Amino acid sequence: QQPVQSPQAVILREGEDAVINCSSSKALYSVHWYRQKHGEAPVFLMILLKGGEQKGHEKISASFNEKKQQSSLYLTASQLSYSGTYFCGTANNAGNMLTFGGGTRLMVKP
Amino acid sequence: GAVVSQHPSRVICKSGTSVKIECRSLDFQATTMFWYRQFPKQSLMLMATSNEGSKATYEQGVEKDKFLINHASLTLSTLTVTSAHPEDSSFYICSATVTDTQYFGPGTRLTVL
Repeated sequence: QQPVQSPQAVILREGEDAVINCSSSKALYSVHWYRQKHGEAPVFLMILLKGGEQKGHEKISASFNEKKQQSSLYLTASQLSYSGTYFCGTANNAGNMLTFGGGTRLMVKP
Repeated sequence: GAVVSQHPSRVICKSGTSVKIECRSLDFQATTMFWYRQFPKQSLMLMATSNEGSKATYEQGVEKDKFLINHASLTLSTLTVTSAHPEDSSFYICSATVTDTQYFGPGTRLTVL
């Protein structure tokens, strides 16, 4: 079953923060975050494997609440290059067959 | 990160013809690769799991006779869209896994006229 992402779209001014949520109705083994630019393939951002895990990549970080079956992606002090569609992909076992959420369109304006 | 390539990046074909898309893992071996399809402004939908040396596993609703998958080696999986129709026009993306992380190829945009 497809995880649910929220919000569906967000518009930011450069320097503002955003949070993207990903919720699943099933127990999760891992959560994967990707960013896709128009006309391109998704680019891997990070993977969270353990409940309670938090990861950071420059000003982009994520957390994984295993009990709540959800993950959140945090974008801090957004840059123009952050624009794109963010997808979470979830796996409920180690086989890594990912099911993707509907995506969150992020637009960062100057 | 690991590198996955796809060929061709774009293809335009006539209705009724077949198109083959290649997916290669360039710097690692992949016993399993995944094929996704993405329609404009939609999410990625898993079509099938390609297994080296054995039959692919197709998701519900995906016609195995229409989307032929061959995973003949540890670095190459191919997807053949047979008797393509305009509704098959889409962005096809393959991926492979390296230690829990799934890396995507650059995608193939198929347009069927």
